[in-house]
Amino acid sequence: SQQGEEDPQALSIQEGENATMNCSYKTSINNLQWYRQNSGRGLVHLILIRSNEREKHSGRLRVTLDTSKKSSSLLITASRAADTASYFCVSLGTYKYIFGTGTRLKVLA
Amino acid sequence: DVKVTQSSRYLVKRTGEKVFLECVQDMDHENMFWYRQDPGLGLRLIYFSYDVKMKEKGDIPEGYSVSREKKERFSLILESASTNQTSMYLCASSSSGWGYNEQFFGPGTRLTVL
Repeated sequence: SQQGEEDPQALSIQEGENATMNCSYKTSINNLQWYRQNSGRGLVHLILIRSNEREKHSGRLRVTLDTSKKSSSLLITASRAADTASYFCVSLGTYKYIFGTGTRLKVLA
Repeated sequence: DVKVTQSSRYLVKRTGEKVFLECVQDMDHENMFWYRQDPGLGLRLIYFSYDVKMKEKGDIPEGYSVSREKKERFSLILESASTNQTSMYLCASSSSGWGYNEQFFGPGTRLTVL
C-alpha cells in the first residue's frame, strides 16, 4: 500500500497548548497537503507545502517537510477547543492524492 | 461559496441492490474523485476523473464503477451492493494542475448495506 502513516494516532491536550502531529509518506511527491475533518465542516484543506519548500506558515499552523526522510509535521500553536478534529496529511503521488491514516486531536477546554 | 454536494447524507440498501451515489460541484473543476473512508484506514481512492467521460481507477475500484457525462457531475455506482461496501463515501473536486490545488470535499454519504 502507498498509504502514508501519521503519528500519533490520537492526541489529547489542554487548550492553549501546542499540538504536533507527524506524517510519513512512501512516494516521491510534488507537494504535501494537510486537511482537517470534523463533524461540523467535513473535510477541509488547511495548508499545502511544495516539495522544494522546507517550512510554511499559515496563521497558527506551521508545516515542515523533509523529503529526504519522506516526512512532514504539522504544528498547531495555542490550540483551541475548535481545533478538535482529525488531521490528515495528503501526499501527491504520480497522479493521485494519497491520504494518511490521520491523527485524532482532542483539545480540552 | 464553493460547493460540492452529494445526493444523500444517509442511505440504507440491501445486498444485491444497484446503488447510485451522485456528486455535483459548482466550481467548474476538471478533476473529480470518489473516496471511501473506514475507521483506521483513512481515505482510500476508488475512482477519479480528470475530464468529462474520462475515468481512472484508484486503489480500490473493485465492485464500483463511475460515470461522468457532464463536467459538474460525477456518479459512483455499486453494481451489486455487498455488506463490505458499508462505509462513508466522500466526493471531492479540484481544478487542473495536478497537486497544486486543494481538493474540495462534499459532506459525505454514509451507506449501510444490509
